[in-house]
Amino acid sequence: QQQVKQSPQSLIVQKGGISIINCAYENTAFDYFPWYQQFPGKGPALLIAIRPDVSEKKEGRFTISFNKSAKQFSLHIMDSQPGDSATYFCAASIDSGGYQKVTFGIGTKLQVIP
Amino acid sequence: DAGVIQSPRHEVTEMGQEVTLRCKPISGHNSLFWYRQTMMRGLELLIYFNNNVPIDDSGMPEDRFSAKMPNASFSTLKIQPSEPRDSAVYFCASSGQGKGLLSYEQYFGPGTRLTVT
Repeated sequence: QQQVKQSPQSLIVQKGGISIINCAYENTAFDYFPWYQQFPGKGPALLIAIRPDVSEKKEGRFTISFNKSAKQFSLHIMDSQPGDSATYFCAASIDSGGYQKVTFGIGTKLQVIP
Repeated sequence: DAGVIQSPRHEVTEMGQEVTLRCKPISGHNSLFWYRQTMMRGLELLIYFNNNVPIDDSGMPEDRFSAKMPNASFSTLKIQPSEPRDSAVYFCASSGQGKGLLSYEQYFGPGTRLTVT
């Protein structure tokens, strides 16, 4: 059962363009929505995160948009750069007996071409 | 800060052999997670330890998999006997005891790429 659905699985964007990755979830008990960035040969690293009581969060060129009623959230990368080429994972977590149990999306491989 | 350390980085073994993956979490972190990453299933949580105690092992695929955390600075994931379908990248992650959202962030190691032939 895929609790967090992520699309697209791959994305090619021109340098300077906007990259958009979408995610949807089913469990309304999720209370924390992080995005992780993974470069080849490395482990995922937290990029940006949002709580469901906020509709948007921006950090530099990265913005999360959150629609609680639709149970959807998305990552926007403005002015995409070749260095942004990586795999991006959306995730949703829930307090599960004292820890945040994280469910990851399948991942989106982003390629930014010069 | 050295981050989460995993060894080996790559492991190639034959079907039926025992495989042991190792992890050293970030000093001071009290939570440790083992994940498996495959193209088909993405990142899956295998097991979670808190203060060296296994709390949630519902993701461990079957009895061939076992994990231990004998102390706060070391954990192992063992597969015995290994099978070709176990081929994947295995990640260890740790998180701390910060307040609120600071405790939510998981720091991942570089992973161990396991190939079972």
